[in-house]
Amino acid sequence: QVTLKESGPALVKPTQTLTLTCTFSGFSLNTNGMRMSWIRQPPGKALEWLARIDWDDDKFYSTSLKTRVTVSKDTSRNQVVLTMTNMDPVDTATYFCARMPMAIAGAIDYWGQGTLVTVSS
Amino acid sequence: DIQMTQSPSALSASVGDRVTITCRASQSVSNWLAWYQRKPGKAPKLLLYMASNLQSGVPSRFIGSGFGTEFTLTISSLQPDDFATYYCQQYSSHPYSFGQGTKLEI
Repeated sequence: QVTLKESGPALVKPTQTLTLTCTFSGFSLNTNGMRMSWIRQPPGKALEWLARIDWDDDKFYSTSLKTRVTVSKDTSRNQVVLTMTNMDPVDTATYFCARMPMAIAGAIDYWGQGTLVTVSS
Repeated sequence: DIQMTQSPSALSASVGDRVTITCRASQSVSNWLAWYQRKPGKAPKLLLYMASNLQSGVPSRFIGSGFGTEFTLTISSLQPDDFATYYCQQYSSHPYSFGQGTKLEI
C-alpha cells in the first residue's frame, strides 16, 4: 500500500525558511525511474508544481521559485525534503508531495494528504 | 514555460449530462498530459495520463483525447460523485504546469 504524508510547521513568519518532510511507504525512491514532486495550492487558487527529484538524484524546479526552493531525499528513511527560503504571505498554501512512477509515464498517481502552511507575522 | 489554459473555468450540469472540459497548451506537449479530480479536503486523484489512458480504478465514463496543444476531458454521464474541480497538467517539459481548474457544479 502506497502512502505519503507531509509534515512540518503549520505557521511560519515572513522571511523564515520553511522545511517540509514527506515520509512515504509502499515503494522505494531507489527504484529505477521513480520520481517525486512537490506541488502546492494556495486557498482558492490553482495547483502549482514546485519541484521534482528522481531516483538518480536529478532535480528540477519551478522557474519562478528556483532561487528559493531546494529538494533532497533520504532513501534510507523513505523521505523527501522541501526547503523554501524567504517565505512570504503569498506562499500560504497547502503543500503536497506526490509520486510519479515511470509505469504511468511520469504522471502523479499518489498524493499525500497535504499540509497547510500559513505565512504570517 | 508552458502555460495551460482550461475552459470553462466553471460549469453547471446535472446528473446524467455529458460534459466536456478543454485544456490548451501554449506549445506542444505531445500527449504528455494528465487530468486530475480535486475535491475539498482531499488530495487530487489521477483520472487519465498520456492524454487518454484511464488510470486503474477510474470509471470508463471519463474519456480523454487530444494531442499537441488541445485536449479534452469528457464525462459521458455525470454521476453525483463527479461534482468536483478538474485540473489538467502537462509533464512534457520542465517546469511542469497545471491548468487553472474547472469547477463542475450541480
